[in-house]
Amino acid sequence: DAKTTQPNSMESNEEEPVHLPCNHSTISGTDYIHWYRQLPSQGPEYVIHGLTSNVNNRMASLAIAEDRKSSTLILHRATLRDAAVYYCILRELDNTDKLIFGTGTRLQVFP
Amino acid sequence: DAGITQSPRHKVTETGTPVTLRCHQTENHRYMYWYRQDPGHGLRLIHYSYGVKDTDKGEVSDGYSVSRSKTEDFLLTLESATSSQTSVYFCAISVIRDRTSGGAVYNEQFFGPGTRLTVL
Repeated sequence: DAKTTQPNSMESNEEEPVHLPCNHSTISGTDYIHWYRQLPSQGPEYVIHGLTSNVNNRMASLAIAEDRKSSTLILHRATLRDAAVYYCILRELDNTDKLIFGTGTRLQVFP
Repeated sequence: DAGITQSPRHKVTETGTPVTLRCHQTENHRYMYWYRQDPGHGLRLIHYSYGVKDTDKGEVSDGYSVSRSKTEDFLLTLESATSSQTSVYFCAISVIRDRTSGGAVYNEQFFGPGTRLTVL
């Protein structure tokens, strides 16, 4: 499985934008880029995913580099509730749909 | 929450005893997964299932077995618990979703609330 590299931690102030980077230099052409986050004392939850084009949803935006070797999760206005561990995951296009988690980025949001 | 529950939510047991954790879903999704999470680590896949009686190993399957005799239940068994298996265990299901803005359907995993297992 292709690996991802994320910073261990990041900080933000409330209502500021947050850009969470992820490097995946060994990504294959059919790997999807998924982002999940884990709030304290909860299981992970889906945030967003993409293949080649940038993606937007109600939670966040995903910017994917043209060569697909990196991506950035963008939270447009951080709230205290966004404090979580964010995982960038490459999902292979196979029939198992399994996710291989890394250690993620712990985002702290300050009021 | 996609109707996924785990039981028990907390368990303390002694080394060498068998332990079974249950994951239950109410929506007949095909794929189910067991993960463990330890301090300083992300989630690690133990076993997964792609249908009744169809299971396969994940990254850290040693010391664990699973069974899926019904679509709605996925059981994780520690035949002889060890202290290294003290962890938080998460069950997940894979749900097919439609992209709201058009485009292809995709799979999203929903996770249960977790089971905190302590092996003394």
